[in-house]
Amino acid sequence: NAGVTQTPKFRVLKTGQSMTLLCAQDMNHEYMYWYRQDPGMGLRLIHYSVGEGTTAKGEVPDGYNVSRLKKQNFLLGLESAAPSQTSVYFCASQLGSGKTYNEQFFGPGTRLTVL
Amino acid sequence: GQQVMQIPQYQHVQEGEDFTTYCNSSTTLSNIQWYKQRPGGHPVFLIQLVKSGEVKKQKRLTFQFGEAKKNSSLHITATQTTDVGTYFCAELRFSSGSARQLTFGSGTQLTVLP
Repeated sequence: NAGVTQTPKFRVLKTGQSMTLLCAQDMNHEYMYWYRQDPGMGLRLIHYSVGEGTTAKGEVPDGYNVSRLKKQNFLLGLESAAPSQTSVYFCASQLGSGKTYNEQFFGPGTRLTVL
Repeated sequence: GQQVMQIPQYQHVQEGEDFTTYCNSSTTLSNIQWYKQRPGGHPVFLIQLVKSGEVKKQKRLTFQFGEAKKNSSLHITATQTTDVGTYFCAELRFSSGSARQLTFGSGTQLTVLP
Protein backbone atom coordinates (compact mmCIF):
# COMPACT_ATOMS: atom_id res chain seq x y z
CA ASN A 1 0.00 0.00 0.00
CA ALA A 2 1.96 3.00 -1.31
CA GLY A 3 -0.54 5.67 -0.23
CA VAL A 4 -0.18 8.83 -2.30
CA THR A 5 2.68 8.99 -4.80
CA GLN A 6 3.82 11.86 -6.99
CA THR A 7 6.02 12.00 -10.07
CA PRO A 8 8.41 13.56 -10.74
CA LYS A 9 10.08 14.52 -7.44
CA PHE A 10 12.05 17.38 -8.98
CA ARG A 11 11.83 19.29 -12.24
CA VAL A 12 13.42 22.36 -13.78
CA LEU A 13 11.59 24.12 -16.60
CA LYS A 14 12.28 27.10 -18.78
CA THR A 15 9.68 29.82 -19.03
CA GLY A 16 7.02 28.84 -21.54
CA GLN A 17 7.59 25.11 -21.33
CA SER A 18 4.79 22.75 -20.38
CA MET A 19 4.67 19.77 -18.08
CA THR A 20 2.33 17.42 -16.27
CA LEU A 21 2.59 16.33 -12.65
CA LEU A 22 1.10 12.96 -11.84
CA CYS A 23 -0.52 12.00 -8.57
CA ALA A 24 -1.64 8.46 -7.82
CA GLN A 25 -3.36 6.97 -4.79
CA ASP A 26 -4.14 3.34 -4.02
CA MET A 27 -6.55 3.92 -1.13
CA ASN A 28 -9.71 4.14 -3.24
CA HIS A 29 -10.26 7.72 -2.10
CA GLU A 30 -12.98 9.80 -3.70
CA TYR A 31 -11.47 13.24 -3.27
CA MET A 32 -8.14 14.45 -4.56
CA TYR A 33 -6.43 17.82 -4.28
CA TRP A 34 -3.49 19.77 -5.66
CA TYR A 35 -1.75 22.36 -3.46
CA ARG A 36 1.24 24.58 -3.86
CA GLN A 37 3.48 25.56 -0.98
CA ASP A 38 5.53 28.72 -0.98
CA PRO A 39 7.74 29.95 1.88
CA GLY A 40 5.76 31.64 4.63
CA MET A 41 2.41 31.09 2.91
CA GLY A 42 1.28 27.66 4.00
CA LEU A 43 -0.44 25.49 1.42
CA ARG A 44 -2.84 26.93 -1.11
CA LEU A 45 -5.40 24.88 -3.01
CA ILE A 46 -5.03 24.93 -6.80
CA HIS A 47 -7.69 22.49 -8.01
CA TYR A 48 -9.55 19.57 -6.57
CA SER A 49 -11.74 16.65 -7.64
CA VAL A 50 -14.67 15.00 -5.89
CA GLY A 51 -14.67 11.99 -8.16
CA GLU A 52 -13.65 10.47 -11.45
CA GLY A 53 -14.36 12.82 -14.33
CA THR A 54 -14.98 15.89 -12.13
CA THR A 55 -12.70 18.79 -11.27
CA ALA A 56 -13.13 22.20 -9.64
CA LYS A 57 -11.09 25.33 -9.04
CA GLY A 58 -9.49 26.11 -5.74
CA GLU A 59 -7.95 29.29 -4.40
CA VAL A 60 -5.16 29.76 -6.99
CA PRO A 61 -6.19 27.97 -10.23
CA ASP A 62 -4.81 30.37 -12.84
CA GLY A 63 -2.11 28.90 -15.08
CA TYR A 64 -2.99 25.30 -14.17
CA ASN A 65 -5.29 22.64 -15.55
CA VAL A 66 -6.23 19.27 -14.12
CA SER A 67 -7.80 16.02 -15.17
CA ARG A 68 -9.15 13.00 -13.32
CA LEU A 69 -9.81 10.36 -15.94
CA LYS A 70 -9.31 7.53 -13.46
CA LYS A 71 -10.30 7.50 -9.80
CA GLN A 72 -6.78 6.75 -8.65
CA ASN A 73 -5.01 9.44 -10.70
CA PHE A 74 -5.10 13.23 -10.61
CA LEU A 75 -2.98 15.14 -13.12
CA LEU A 76 -1.84 18.74 -12.82
CA GLY A 77 -0.77 20.48 -16.00
CA LEU A 78 1.17 23.66 -16.61
CA GLU A 79 0.65 24.75 -20.22
CA SER A 80 3.14 27.62 -20.25
CA ALA A 81 5.27 27.71 -17.15
CA ALA A 82 6.15 31.03 -15.52
CA PRO A 83 8.75 31.81 -12.82
CA SER A 84 5.87 32.59 -10.44
CA GLN A 85 4.98 28.90 -10.58
CA THR A 86 8.25 27.92 -8.93
CA SER A 87 7.01 26.10 -5.85
CA VAL A 88 6.59 22.78 -4.12
CA TYR A 89 3.47 20.98 -5.29
CA PHE A 90 1.63 18.55 -3.06
CA CYS A 91 -1.12 16.19 -3.99
CA ALA A 92 -3.53 14.95 -1.35
CA SER A 93 -6.42 12.53 -1.18
CA GLN A 94 -9.35 12.06 1.15
CA LEU A 95 -11.67 9.11 1.58
CA GLY A 96 -14.90 11.00 1.12
CA SER A 97 -17.53 13.05 2.90
CA GLY A 98 -18.61 12.62 6.49
CA LYS A 99 -17.20 13.71 9.82
CA THR A 100 -14.98 10.70 10.21
CA TYR A 101 -13.52 10.90 6.74
CA ASN A 102 -11.92 14.30 6.73
CA GLU A 103 -8.24 13.45 7.07
CA GLN A 104 -6.20 14.32 4.01
CA PHE A 105 -3.25 12.17 3.02
CA PHE A 106 -0.42 13.98 1.28
CA GLY A 107 2.09 12.80 -1.28
CA PRO A 108 5.82 13.49 -0.93
CA GLY A 109 5.72 16.58 -3.14
CA THR A 110 7.24 17.78 -6.42
CA ARG A 111 9.78 20.58 -6.31
CA LEU A 112 9.41 22.66 -9.48
CA THR A 113 11.74 25.44 -10.56
CA VAL A 114 10.88 27.64 -13.52
CA LEU A 115 13.79 29.63 -14.91
CA GLY B 1 -11.79 35.12 1.56
CA GLN B 2 -11.69 33.98 5.12
CA GLN B 3 -8.22 33.65 6.54
CA VAL B 4 -6.81 31.58 9.31
CA MET B 5 -4.00 33.45 11.05
CA GLN B 6 -1.32 31.49 12.81
CA ILE B 7 1.27 32.75 15.29
CA PRO B 8 4.13 32.77 15.87
CA GLN B 9 5.74 32.22 12.48
CA TYR B 10 8.93 30.90 14.05
CA GLN B 11 9.75 29.51 17.49
CA HIS B 12 13.09 28.34 18.83
CA VAL B 13 13.03 26.43 22.11
CA GLN B 14 15.54 24.55 24.18
CA GLU B 15 14.88 20.83 24.36
CA GLY B 16 12.63 20.18 27.33
CA GLU B 17 10.84 23.53 27.13
CA ASP B 18 7.19 23.82 26.22
CA PHE B 19 5.86 25.17 22.93
CA THR B 20 2.53 26.62 21.87
CA THR B 21 1.21 27.73 18.49
CA TYR B 22 -2.04 29.62 18.03
CA CYS B 23 -4.56 29.74 15.24
CA ASN B 24 -7.06 32.61 15.04
CA SER B 25 -9.98 33.52 12.83
CA SER B 26 -12.21 36.59 12.70
CA THR B 27 -15.19 34.36 11.95
CA THR B 28 -16.48 31.12 13.43
CA LEU B 29 -14.58 28.07 12.31
CA SER B 30 -16.60 25.00 11.36
CA ASN B 31 -13.79 22.78 12.59
CA ILE B 32 -10.01 22.80 12.75
CA GLN B 33 -7.36 20.32 11.76
CA TRP B 34 -3.70 20.27 12.70
CA TYR B 35 -0.88 18.96 10.52
CA LYS B 36 2.84 18.52 11.07
CA GLN B 37 5.42 18.84 8.31
CA ARG B 38 8.96 17.71 8.98
CA PRO B 39 11.76 19.56 7.15
CA GLY B 40 11.76 18.39 3.54
CA GLY B 41 8.67 16.30 4.14
CA HIS B 42 4.96 16.46 3.53
CA PRO B 43 2.11 17.46 5.86
CA VAL B 44 0.87 14.68 8.10
CA PHE B 45 -2.51 14.83 9.80
CA LEU B 46 -2.43 15.07 13.59
CA ILE B 47 -5.97 15.70 14.73
CA GLN B 48 -9.35 17.27 14.03
CA LEU B 49 -11.40 19.34 16.49
CA VAL B 50 -15.08 19.96 15.92
CA LYS B 51 -16.82 20.91 19.16
CA SER B 52 -16.71 24.22 21.00
CA GLY B 53 -14.22 24.03 23.89
CA GLU B 54 -12.93 20.64 22.77
CA VAL B 55 -9.61 19.46 24.18
CA LYS B 56 -7.75 16.45 22.87
CA LYS B 57 -4.42 15.00 23.89
CA GLN B 58 -1.86 12.90 22.08
CA LYS B 59 0.96 12.01 24.45
CA ARG B 60 2.81 15.35 24.94
CA LEU B 61 0.57 17.26 22.50
CA THR B 62 -2.57 19.04 23.67
CA PHE B 63 -5.02 20.51 21.18
CA GLN B 64 -7.73 23.00 22.10
CA PHE B 65 -10.65 24.53 20.23
CA GLY B 66 -11.93 27.80 21.64
CA GLU B 67 -15.36 28.20 23.16
CA ALA B 68 -16.37 30.61 20.42
CA LYS B 69 -14.78 28.37 17.76
CA LYS B 70 -12.65 31.27 16.55
CA ASN B 71 -9.32 30.04 17.77
CA SER B 72 -7.33 26.91 18.40
CA SER B 73 -4.01 26.03 19.95
CA LEU B 74 -1.46 23.26 19.94
CA HIS B 75 0.71 22.87 23.01
CA ILE B 76 3.71 20.57 23.24
CA THR B 77 5.02 19.74 26.68
CA ALA B 78 8.73 19.11 27.16
CA THR B 79 9.78 19.37 23.52
CA GLN B 80 12.09 16.82 21.98
CA THR B 81 14.24 17.05 18.87
CA THR B 82 11.73 14.82 17.12
CA ASP B 83 9.18 17.65 17.43
CA VAL B 84 11.09 19.77 14.92
CA GLY B 85 9.00 20.82 11.97
CA THR B 86 6.28 23.18 10.86
CA TYR B 87 2.86 22.92 12.45
CA PHE B 88 -0.14 24.01 10.44
CA CYS B 89 -3.70 24.57 11.44
CA ALA B 90 -6.33 24.31 8.75
CA GLU B 91 -10.02 24.93 8.57
CA LEU B 92 -12.12 22.37 6.78
CA ARG B 93 -14.97 23.94 4.86
CA PHE B 94 -17.69 22.67 2.63
CA SER B 95 -17.47 23.42 -1.04
CA SER B 96 -19.54 22.41 -4.04
CA GLY B 97 -20.55 18.77 -4.26
CA SER B 98 -20.01 18.28 -0.52
CA ALA B 99 -16.27 18.20 -0.95
CA ARG B 100 -14.18 19.55 1.85
CA GLN B 101 -11.58 22.23 1.26
CA LEU B 102 -8.77 22.90 3.66
CA THR B 103 -7.69 26.48 4.22
CA PHE B 104 -4.29 26.44 5.86
CA GLY B 105 -2.70 28.87 8.24
CA SER B 106 0.80 29.99 7.37
CA GLY B 107 2.33 27.61 9.90
CA THR B 108 4.68 27.83 12.86
CA GLN B 109 8.19 26.56 12.29
CA LEU B 110 9.53 24.94 15.44
CA THR B 111 13.24 24.52 16.06
CA VAL B 112 14.34 22.52 19.08
CA LEU B 113 17.85 23.16 20.30
CA PRO B 114 19.54 20.16 21.97
